[in-house]
Amino acid sequence: SQQGEEDPQALSIQEGENATMNCSYKTSINNLQWYRQNSGRGLVHLILIRSNEREKHSGRLRVTLDTSKKSSSLLITASRAADTASYFCATDRNNNDMRFGAGTRLTVKP
Amino acid sequence: GAGVSQSPSNKVTEKGKDVELRCDPISGHTALYWYRQSLGQGLEFLIYFQGNSAPDKSGLPSDRFSAERTGGSVSTLTIQRTQQEDSAVYLCASSSQGGYYGYTFGSGTRLTVV
Repeated sequence: SQQGEEDPQALSIQEGENATMNCSYKTSINNLQWYRQNSGRGLVHLILIRSNEREKHSGRLRVTLDTSKKSSSLLITASRAADTASYFCATDRNNNDMRFGAGTRLTVKP
Repeated sequence: GAGVSQSPSNKVTEKGKDVELRCDPISGHTALYWYRQSLGQGLEFLIYFQGNSAPDKSGLPSDRFSAERTGGSVSTLTIQRTQQEDSAVYLCASSSQGGYYGYTFGSGTRLTVV
């Protein structure tokens, strides 16, 4: 069964704007990860945030985690056309059981 | 190898035939996962291998699906008597240290059952 659920399902913005995607999950986790997928093939790992962390940055990416609300957000600042992709959150419940949501389809218009 | 390798990249098969999909993980990665992704959908967990432990098969949709991992390395996902609803992209991922540093995905096998 799926664990994470991303919101919104689709997001369309102009280049230069910020994009925010949310993820909610149901059970306790060890960590939460965000992945990007281009063209419906392999996923690329973006960032991992541990359950005892609240915020993490990587370049133009900022991830927050609120374990009390069982939710996470991914912020992409100063978006580029190349950021157009599907973004998935994945929750790791036991360091060995990764479950993915249905993803957010991000379109960045040049 | 440098990444997770999956073969074939595309497979078209006739309904009722058996197919084998192969995944060659990153050397030294102890964990290996198979996922299925239908068009425009999220990833559906199929099966998970960790070292020499018994695999977690809880995601396999039916007994037509099976997977093995030989020598803790290469894995083969077998689908018997394929049905049209099996058409999807099958993704393999591997990780070290229980996935603590993220998972590396292969490019997937696009299976089309006609």
